[in-house]
Amino acid sequence: TQLLEQSPQFLSIQEGENLTVYCNSSSVFSSLQWYRQEPGEGPVLLVTVVTGGEVKKLKRLTFQFGDARKDSSLHITAAQTGDTGLYLCAGAPGNQFYFGTGTSLTVIP
Amino acid sequence: DAGVIQSPRHEVTEMGQEVTLRCKPISGHDYLFWYRQTMMRGLELLIYFNNNVPIDDSGMPEDRFSAKMPNASFSTLKIQPSEPRDSAVYFCASSLSFSGGTDTQYFGPGTRLTVL
Repeated sequence: TQLLEQSPQFLSIQEGENLTVYCNSSSVFSSLQWYRQEPGEGPVLLVTVVTGGEVKKLKRLTFQFGDARKDSSLHITAAQTGDTGLYLCAGAPGNQFYFGTGTSLTVIP
Repeated sequence: DAGVIQSPRHEVTEMGQEVTLRCKPISGHDYLFWYRQTMMRGLELLIYFNNNVPIDDSGMPEDRFSAKMPNASFSTLKIQPSEPRDSAVYFCASSLSFSGGTDTQYFGPGTRLTVL
């Protein structure tokens, strides 16, 4: 069992559509991060959320940290082909650092 | 800055051979991380260093894996002997600090290892 479960695992949508991906855990995190990984490259940090209930916006991307700090969501408005990639949530309960199971997003032109 | 540099980018070897992966972190970063990514298990932290000292190696799968950081600008991950199940993409990352998961980790491009 993974500490951070993401859903859906795969998502294929048309350009211009909206989407939401989720990151859930049974553990409480002091903060969560979202990374995006493109094929053949390493993950790149998008955002860090640190306060329960926090909402952060990054252009068309909206990140939310759950009130209980056990979950997070990423909403993309009007998806573009450049949004294609693997989205990973991540957090550190203690000295270890865990990545979620990932959501592979494909935006079709 | 050139970012985190990893070599080789691709490695194909036969079962039983020794494999050495190399990483040069971003200058000035005190933390260095080694990860392994597979379809089955996702991205897993193997070991990380602070100021060249291994802090947590609980993610290292078994004794066949070892990692060293002889100085602030170089680290190696060695697998001896290699097995087909070690086939994966291995990433190195570095960061200025590591406190509660709020720090930015900068990843290298990865080494794709195939063990035949």
